[in-house]
Amino acid sequence: DVKVTQSSRYLVKRTGEKVFLECVQDMDHENMFWYRQDPGLGLRLIYFSYDVKMKEKGDIPEGYSVSREKKERFSLILESASTNQTSMYLCAAGENEKLFFGSGTQLSVL
Amino acid sequence: DQQVKQNSPSLSVQEGRISILNCDYTNSMFDYFLWYKKYPAEGPTFLISISSIKDKNEDGRFTVFLNKSAKHLSLHIVPSQPGDSAVYFCAASANGGTSYGKLTFGQGTILTVHP
Repeated sequence: DVKVTQSSRYLVKRTGEKVFLECVQDMDHENMFWYRQDPGLGLRLIYFSYDVKMKEKGDIPEGYSVSREKKERFSLILESASTNQTSMYLCAAGENEKLFFGSGTQLSVL
Repeated sequence: DQQVKQNSPSLSVQEGRISILNCDYTNSMFDYFLWYKKYPAEGPTFLISISSIKDKNEDGRFTVFLNKSAKHLSLHIVPSQPGDSAVYFCAASANGGTSYGKLTFGQGTILTVHP
C-alpha cells in the first residue's frame, strides 16, 4: 500500500505567520490532494495536483497555496495564518478515487 | 452548498446487529461513490465503492446500495463488530475514473458498536 507521511501531527502557530505543511508519498502516484476536515463539514478539498509543478484549485482554496516541485512531495502553504484556518489537514495520494491518506496535521492558529 | 449529505451525525448499534449508514447527494453528475472509514488519529481509509451502473456492491460484511432515482446510497455492515466503531464518510465523484480522484465528501457519521 501507498504510505503518505505528513511531517507534523500537531502544530500551533500565531495569526499572521506563514505556515508550511509537508506531505510525502512513497509510491509513484501522479495525483496528490490537500483536504481539511472540520466538525459538521466533513472533508473539503483545498488544492490538488496531477503532475509535478501542476496545481488545481479545489473547493476552498482561499488563503492557501501549494507547491509540487517533486513528484513525491506536495506542500500546503498558509501565507498568513488566520484563526479560521484552525483545522485538521489531510494529505492524500492516488491514481483514482481510491485515495491513500496521511494521518493528518492538527493545526491551531492562535 | 453541501452536495453530499450524511444527515445522521451518529449511530449506535449492538454487536452482531446490522449497521445502516445513509448518504444523499444532489449533483446528478456524480457517477462513482465511495465509503471511507476513519479511526481517531488516523487518516481515512478506503472501504468500498460503487459505480452508477450498479445498484449493489458487496465485500464481505460490507454492502453498498445505490438508488440513483432517489440520489441515495447506504452502507450496510452485517454483523457489526466493536472494531467497526469509527467515523464513516460517504464520497462522490463525477466522470468516475477520469476525475483524478477529486472527491466530494459528506459530513461523516460516527458509528459506535457496543459489545
